[in-house]
This record gives sequence, structure tokens and C-alpha cells, in this order.
Amino acid sequence: DAGVIQSPRHEVTEMGQEVTLRCKPISGHNSLFWYRQTMMRGLELLIYFNNNVPIDDSGMPEDRFSAKMPNASFSTLKIQPSEPRDSAVYFCASRRGPAEKLFFGSGTQLSVL
Amino acid sequence: GDSVTQMEGPVTLSEEAFLTINCTYTATGYPSLFWYVQYPGEGLQLLLKATKADDKGSNKGFEATYRKETTSFHLEKGSVQVSDSAVYFCALTERGNKLVFGAGTILRVKS
Repeated sequence: DAGVIQSPRHEVTEMGQEVTLRCKPISGHNSLFWYRQTMMRGLELLIYFNNNVPIDDSGMPEDRFSAKMPNASFSTLKIQPSEPRDSAVYFCASRRGPAEKLFFGSGTQLSVL
Repeated sequence: GDSVTQMEGPVTLSEEAFLTINCTYTATGYPSLFWYVQYPGEGLQLLLKATKADDKGSNKGFEATYRKETTSFHLEKGSVQVSDSAVYFCALTERGNKLVFGAGTILRVKS
């Protein structure tokens, strides 16, 4: 299995532009998580899905952030419009079930200039 | 709500020293507890886990025991190596819900 696949690996964009981050979870996993990591705030949970349904999006910073999971093998995190304070590493992770091991992707390093 | 508190880093040790990274948690029920490790430039990887009180998780020489009476899950290793340098995260999940992480502790091991 290829693991959790995220793209792009690096993204550099200008303030005000739309950014879309992509994630392919491990096949057979029914939970998917989006995390953001910064030096100042550590690892923050943004949103998670069970069986493609958003369960908790209380960590989404504001309306500029949105996430979708149209099917079991694909999820997107969109920022529109992007701001410099959105610069961070964004991780996607998936797991087979409750209390199971969480598998992380390699992350997307986002820089908003 | 559920939360995890870890000792602040960075922790700097010499090779072969004994390691302890403290972790305590707050939860309403009976969570499962985890330690994850993040090497530079990579995502987090599960290091070990324990799902009930008095369970001991172990992997790669690291150990942690689920202590319900002190709500703790301290990470230990008897002899660290330079290759153990990484960021270590304590985490919990309860009733199959979201995984809550601590702030992370940077470990630096010098040769």
C-alpha cells in the first residue's frame, strides 16, 4: 500500500489566491483527518470525516477554509482567499476505525506570500 | 473537553542516556493513549499505544504505561541514540472520536 498520499508537497502562492490541498487516504480506511502544524500553535485538528461525512469541523479557522470528501478515496482542503497567516504544514491522516493507528501523509508545506 | 499536556522541550540528552517525556491527560471516560513520533520533514508515525489501564505499550526500546490513577502515559527509553532525535507527541482518542494531540516535545540526542 502506498500510504496516505498528499499533493502538492510544496505550495507557494500569493495572498488572496485560492489554494487546494489534496489527499488520498489508505484504501479501506473510513476516517480521514486534516491537521495543520505550525511552530506557534503545534498540531491542530481542522476537521475529520467518518465514512465521507464531516463529523467535527470546529477546528476550521474561519469561513475561508472548507473541506470536502466526495468519496472514500479523495478529500480536499480549500483556502479562499489565502492569507500569510495560513502558512503552515497541512497533514492529512486516515485510520481504519476507532482507536486504530492513524497513518499520516507527508504533508503539504504551504507558504502564502 | 479532552486534552493532553506534555512536558516542554527541547529535551537534550547525550547518547545512551535515559529518557523520560511526561504526558498527562484529561478525559471524561476511558481513552486510548498513543505516542507518535515525527522525524524531520515527515508526517507523524505511531510509536506505541495502550488501550486500557495498566497496559504497557512498547516499540523500538520505548515504553509507556497507561496509569489511570495518575492520568499519565509517560514515555521512557533506557538508552537513547542519535537516531531518536525527533518530535514526540502524546495523544488520546475517546469513544472512537478525534485524536487529540499534545503540543509535542522536541528530543535532541548528541553523540
